[in-house]
Amino acid sequence: DIVMTQTPLSSPVTLGQPASISCRSSQSLVHSDGNTYLSWLQQRPGQPPRLLFYKISNRFSGVPDRFSGSGAGTEFTLQINRVEAEDVGIYYCMQATQFPYTFGQGTKLEI
Amino acid sequence: EVQLVESGGGLVQPGGSLRLSCVVSGFTFTSYSMNWVRQAPGKGLEWVSYISMSGATIYYADSVKGRFTISRDNARNSLHLQMNNLRVEDTAVYSCARGALAGIGYWGQGTLVTVSS
Repeated sequence: DIVMTQTPLSSPVTLGQPASISCRSSQSLVHSDGNTYLSWLQQRPGQPPRLLFYKISNRFSGVPDRFSGSGAGTEFTLQINRVEAEDVGIYYCMQATQFPYTFGQGTKLEI
Repeated sequence: EVQLVESGGGLVQPGGSLRLSCVVSGFTFTSYSMNWVRQAPGKGLEWVSYISMSGATIYYADSVKGRFTISRDNARNSLHLQMNNLRVEDTAVYSCARGALAGIGYWGQGTLVTVSS
């Protein structure tokens, strides 16, 4: 199975300041079709997860442009340009390159 | 509006069975693969099972293989998870979720399964 490792696990942030979360996979997420199926999800307290990005950097519908996704191979990053109060929650990376799909442990973003 | 609504959760004793259902609306069900994902209390996300658009391709997490069965009824826009021989460690909120390679973009609110004696 592909192991997804996120750092940090907890990130205290200041409103208006940038934040960054890293995700590393135990093997390359490049699929045989040439795509890299790495997603980022946000889970606000008491809510189901919300897709932010798929295939590394493709922004899902309704996601503010202060969020960005980047990376390649085994190293990926989610960045928030200027953190807002509504960004509080837990962020997960997830790979869908190979079954079983696997998630990172989650990174708690707190103000 | 895309909606996914789960049902069927509850309290069950170890070794017991439950059947979860997810009824969807707001999109063409037959055009999307579906998943079950669970989250134990206070824990992270764990993918449980996948079923393709037609139902011909199915995958399971090792932790549930041989005990859980995923299925879909495309005529009734519904997804199911038959859970047998339940264990205490299966206690979690179970959510149905739409999508796969292009991201799991839509999630239900989930249904709580509690396995306890």
